[in-house]
Amino acid sequence: EDKVVQSPLSLVVHEGDTVTLNCSYEVTNFRSLLWYKQEKKAPTFLFMLTSSGIEKKSGRLSSILDKKELFSILNITATQTGDSAIYLCAVERGQGAQKLVFGQGTRLTINP
Amino acid sequence: EPEVTQTPSHQVTQMGQEVILRCVPISNHLYFYWYRQILGQKVEFLVSFYNNEISEKSEIFDDQFSVERPDGSNFTLKIRSTKLEDSAMYFCASSERTGHNQPQHFGDGTRLSIL
Repeated sequence: EDKVVQSPLSLVVHEGDTVTLNCSYEVTNFRSLLWYKQEKKAPTFLFMLTSSGIEKKSGRLSSILDKKELFSILNITATQTGDSAIYLCAVERGQGAQKLVFGQGTRLTINP
Repeated sequence: EPEVTQTPSHQVTQMGQEVILRCVPISNHLYFYWYRQILGQKVEFLVSFYNNEISEKSEIFDDQFSVERPDGSNFTLKIRSTKLEDSAMYFCASSERTGHNQPQHFGDGTRLSIL
């Protein structure tokens, strides 16, 4: 059975701290791993990772994939209150129209 | 920036009634998806749709569910006879194509409440 596990489930830090969110997976027909940020409504796309060891970066956010050890991390540096959200990890699998298998999410709270 | 739009934002329906959830995917996208999220649980895949037919469906997507692309812009999810356990947030997503690093983009969701 396909499995995506995120840790921690919940994290509370102070503004300015750096956080690392983890995602491990076991899926058949792996194609890519995606990170989404979910605030009140739609999950919004952050990163899509297909190759091991290549860091993707967007401002204060960065992510990397390890296909040998089957995990990914999402780093956020110099956190701001606007980073408070649920961060979802999803693995895209299959061929053709690929479905996403989601983890349970990490709820990140940034206190001022 | 183009986005996936869903209507209504909230639907309240009596158990046993039919409900249709509507989505307008991003205009040049070819692949369409429905997911649901029961309160406090993971986002779960329901169905994917390409070239006017279902590509893949999950075990959740039984005979009570159907999808349709009635025209060039809308993509609908119909639940024929709703049950209490169908109460969830339903997300529509679309992607331009697959296999070329094209992520799925999600709408804001429809919160479905079955009474």
